[in-house]
Amino acid sequence: SQQGEEDPQALSIQEGENATMNCSYKTSINNLQWYRQNSGRGLVHLILIRSNEREKHSGRLRVTLDTSKKSSSLLITASRAADTASYFCATRMDSSYKLIFGSGTRLLVRP
Amino acid sequence: DTGVSQNPRHKITKRGQNVTFRCDPISEHNRLYWYRQTLGQGPEFLTYFQNEAQLEKSRLLSDRFSAERPKGSFSTLEIQRTEQGDSAMYLCASSFSGEGSPLHFGNGTRLTVT
Repeated sequence: SQQGEEDPQALSIQEGENATMNCSYKTSINNLQWYRQNSGRGLVHLILIRSNEREKHSGRLRVTLDTSKKSSSLLITASRAADTASYFCATRMDSSYKLIFGSGTRLLVRP
Repeated sequence: DTGVSQNPRHKITKRGQNVTFRCDPISEHNRLYWYRQTLGQGPEFLTYFQNEAQLEKSRLLSDRFSAERPKGSFSTLEIQRTEQGDSAMYLCASSFSGEGSPLHFGNGTRLTVT
């Protein structure tokens, strides 16, 4: 079963705009990670945030984590057409080393 | 770092046949994971190895599925008596042991069962 659920399922924006994707999860976690997947390819790790962190930045990416609400958001600023992909959150619980992925947000950035 | 390699990239088989996929992880990584992904969904965890030991296995993994990592290097995933519902992308990933170590994915093997 999926631990995380992303919202929205699909997002279409103009190049240069910001894209925000949300992830909710069900159980206590050790860390939460975001991955990107281009069509027909494997997933690529973007950023990790630990359960004791609230916000993290990496280039044009900003991730927040609210453990009280069991939710995270991924913000991509100044989007580019090349950002078009599916984005997944993944959580790891303290009791396991497996990552459980959400259902993903499909982002389309129009040039 | 040559990345995670999966073979074959595509496999078409008839229902009832057995198939085997191979994954070559990044050589320094001691953890190896198998996931299954269907269209429009996120990857579903199947199993993972720490070196040659299979430490966790999903309830999704029926007795028709078996995975091995005999020498702690490459891994194989075998599906016996394939069914149409097995059609999916099978993804392999590897990582270091640390709790914050990200997964490095291969490009997957796409299985079509006719």
